[in-house]
Amino acid sequence: DAKTTQPTSMDCAEGRAANLPCNHSTISGNEYVYWYRQIHSQGPQYIIHGLKNNETNEMASLIITEDRKSSTLILPHATLRDTAVYYCIVRVLNYGGATNKLIFGTGTLLAVQP
Amino acid sequence: SAVISQKPSRDICQRGTSLTIQCQVDSQVTMMFWYRQQPGQSLTLIATANQGSEATYESGFVIDKFPISRPNLTFSTLTVSNMSPEDSSIYLCSVEPRLADNEQFFGPGTRLTVL
Repeated sequence: DAKTTQPTSMDCAEGRAANLPCNHSTISGNEYVYWYRQIHSQGPQYIIHGLKNNETNEMASLIITEDRKSSTLILPHATLRDTAVYYCIVRVLNYGGATNKLIFGTGTLLAVQP
Repeated sequence: SAVISQKPSRDICQRGTSLTIQCQVDSQVTMMFWYRQQPGQSLTLIATANQGSEATYESGFVIDKFPISRPNLTFSTLTVSNMSPEDSSIYLCSVEPRLADNEQFFGPGTRLTVL
């Protein structure tokens, strides 16, 4: 079962920052927070992940609260091509194990408006 | 990274028949996963397929309905057996190129319609 809660949908104006929240109040100490997105008719695409520190890459920033019970994915300058379903997933990063599966929740449909 | 192709990209099948979906990766990978995405729904993991061992199925999925082969480190097949309209979905494979990798890469999916 998915361990995260996300809003069903959000709108964002093109060029503005998109802030996508995720609640994961039952996260364990060894679970990472991962974000993927799925653009219509494509397979999911990895965005970013983190454990407890904030992370940033060329696509987005991930802000994790100090208690790790929630996080926010930030797309700094949303474009129309960022319209997609965004999935927040908690996952144990199991080195060499057989449990590296991703369990997808319902995600947030982000609609970037022109 | 990994580039994944799936065949067929889509198919329309009659109930009671079976369809085998192929997943080809451009590099050797240990772990491969098969997902189903029903219309308007999120992804559901069907099974994990590691080369040289039996696939591990998630709750609600059985080998008789979804047999999986993993003959080598770059290829896998998923068969949807004795299909019914309820099997109409997108089927996706994904890989994790390195055991300690950060991310999984997904194929483009196979869109299956069962009449």
